[in-house]
Formats: sequence, C-alpha cells, structure tokens
Amino acid sequence: GQNIDQPTEMTATEGAIVQINCTYQTSGFNGLFWYQQHAGEAPTFLSYNVLDGLEEKGRFSSFLSRSKGYSYLLLKELQMKDSASYLCAVKGAGNNRKLIWGLGTSLAVNP
Amino acid sequence: EAQVTQNPRYLITVTGKKLTVTCSQNMNHEYMSWYRQDPGLGLRQIYYSMNVEVTDKGDVPEGYKVSRKEKRNFPLILESPSPNQTSLYFCASSPQRGAYNEQFFGPGTRLTVL
Repeated sequence: GQNIDQPTEMTATEGAIVQINCTYQTSGFNGLFWYQQHAGEAPTFLSYNVLDGLEEKGRFSSFLSRSKGYSYLLLKELQMKDSASYLCAVKGAGNNRKLIWGLGTSLAVNP
Repeated sequence: EAQVTQNPRYLITVTGKKLTVTCSQNMNHEYMSWYRQDPGLGLRQIYYSMNVEVTDKGDVPEGYKVSRKEKRNFPLILESPSPNQTSLYFCASSPQRGAYNEQFFGPGTRLTVL
C-alpha cells in the first residue's frame, strides 16, 4: 500500500530550529511537496524536492533521500506565525498529478 | 491577482437538499481537483480533471458529481447531501507544464449537513 508518516504534533520555542520528518512508501515517485496550513485556511506551497539533497528557501529548507524514502522540513529562526500544520505530499507514478498526502504535523511555537 | 475562488465559504444545509459548490481559477490551469479534509483523515481527493470535459474519480467520489465545461470552472455537486458529507472542502488547480506542478488551493468551503 501507499503510506506517508509524519509526527502528529511538535512544539518548539520562538527563535529556535525545528525539523519535521516525513517517511513515505509509494508505488512510484515523481517528487515530494511540503505545504503549510494554518488552522481553517487553505494549504500553501512551501517546497518541492525531486532529487536527493537539500533545497534552501529563506528560513525554510527541505531535504530528500529517495533511497530511504525520507524527507524533512527544517524551519529556522522560528516565529509565532509559523504555528501551523505542515503537510508532506508525494506525487506518485502516472500523469494524473495525484498527490498522496500525509496527515500533517501540527507545530506549536511558544514564546 | 492569480487565485482560486470558491463559493460559498460556509454552508449549513439539510439532508437531501441538492447543492453546488463553485470553484473558479484565473491562472489558465489545465488541472483541477476537489478535496475534502476531515480531522484524523487528512486531505482526500474526491474528483479531478486533467482538462476541459475530462474528469475522473479520486479516492472518495461516492455522493459527489463534478463537471468541467470550461477551463476556469470546476463545480462540485452534491445531489443528495448526507451528514457524513459534513467537511471542509478545498478546490485546487495546477498547470500542466512546469517543474513543480504545485497545486494552488482555494480558501475552502465549510459544509455542515444536518
């Protein structure tokens, strides 16, 4: 079957660094997305990895290891507004754009 | 402004009363999709469309219909809503070409079926 695992909840302190892990088992792989979703709002795109390695974008970085079926999202210099759910999604095989979604990691940033 | 819009944003209705949730995008995207999001179940795809007049079932299509007569619009139709369709619904679109094919989401429609 196809499966994506993420921790359900995490807490961190303002100004700190937090790493949110995602492991996946899918039939086919055409890239991995990270989305941010604030409570009651729409998911918004954060990052996309299709090759192994680290992609850095400001305070956010995302890492991928295809051989291990593993990704992480790294958030630096945490701010209160980073309190949100972080969704990992894998684009599977085929041309139908289908994303397999994790359940999300709810991050609480405390002062 | 490039965006995906949905209407209504909030709806409370009763069992069996047909309803339509509209979705429109102004980015000329070929691909559009409907999701529902429920606590503990995450985002689940209902239907998707690769282009005009091309639609296909997602993971949870029962009780829903869609149509894609124009590129910009992708309405979700509930012919006879039931309480188990109470959920937060998102429409999304993405381009056919481009490296990411990232999906752009509408603001969501919170539906309650009594």
